[in-house]
Amino acid sequence: DAKTTQPPSMDCAEGRAANLPCNHSTISGNEYVYWYRQIHSQGPQYIIHGLKNNETNEMASLIITEDRKSSTLILPHATLRDTAVYYCIVRVRGIKAAGNKLTFGGGTRVLVKP
Amino acid sequence: DTAVSQTPKYLVTQMGNDKSIKCEQNLGHDTMYWYKQDSKKFLKIMFSYNNKELIINETVPNRFSPKSPDKAHLNLHINSLELGDSAVYFCASSQEDISSEQYFGPGTRLTVT
Repeated sequence: DAKTTQPPSMDCAEGRAANLPCNHSTISGNEYVYWYRQIHSQGPQYIIHGLKNNETNEMASLIITEDRKSSTLILPHATLRDTAVYYCIVRVRGIKAAGNKLTFGGGTRVLVKP
Repeated sequence: DTAVSQTPKYLVTQMGNDKSIKCEQNLGHDTMYWYKQDSKKFLKIMFSYNNKELIINETVPNRFSPKSPDKAHLNLHINSLELGDSAVYFCASSQEDISSEQYFGPGTRLTVT
């Protein structure tokens, strides 16, 4: 799986959009970009994933650059409950031999402030 | 309604003991995992099972033995517990041929004294 680079921490104001960057310059053509988050003392939670098109769901939007070397997770209206560590992960999908494992890096610790 | 459940939530035991952690998922997924999160908060894959078949064993000591009696369960048995085994253990499941996102359990905090 390709390595990702994320800022270690960032603050965000409640009610504002939070833009979380991720660099994955060595991503290969069949690797997806996944985002998970871990709220304190809980298990990681899936947020969104994409291959090359921008994606949106009820939690967030994912913007992937055209060259796929970086992406941005957007939380449109951050709330205090969004305070968590956010992980950007790239991996192939659905290939049994690869084991389908998630390789977590250090993530970005996001603190949403009132 | 719980999707992925683990028992116990907390486990305190002494060095040298043998203990088990249980995991159950009611999502109908075909793949289950164990992850370990150490004191520095790094999450690492330990095992992956697909339809009761071991897919990944990430150089975990053989004191750790996963057991999958059926697709919905993946238990973790640990022999001769050591201080370094203290961590939070997370179970997860996914359905790889559909969506592949993994759903995690609440974790089991293991403390070895």
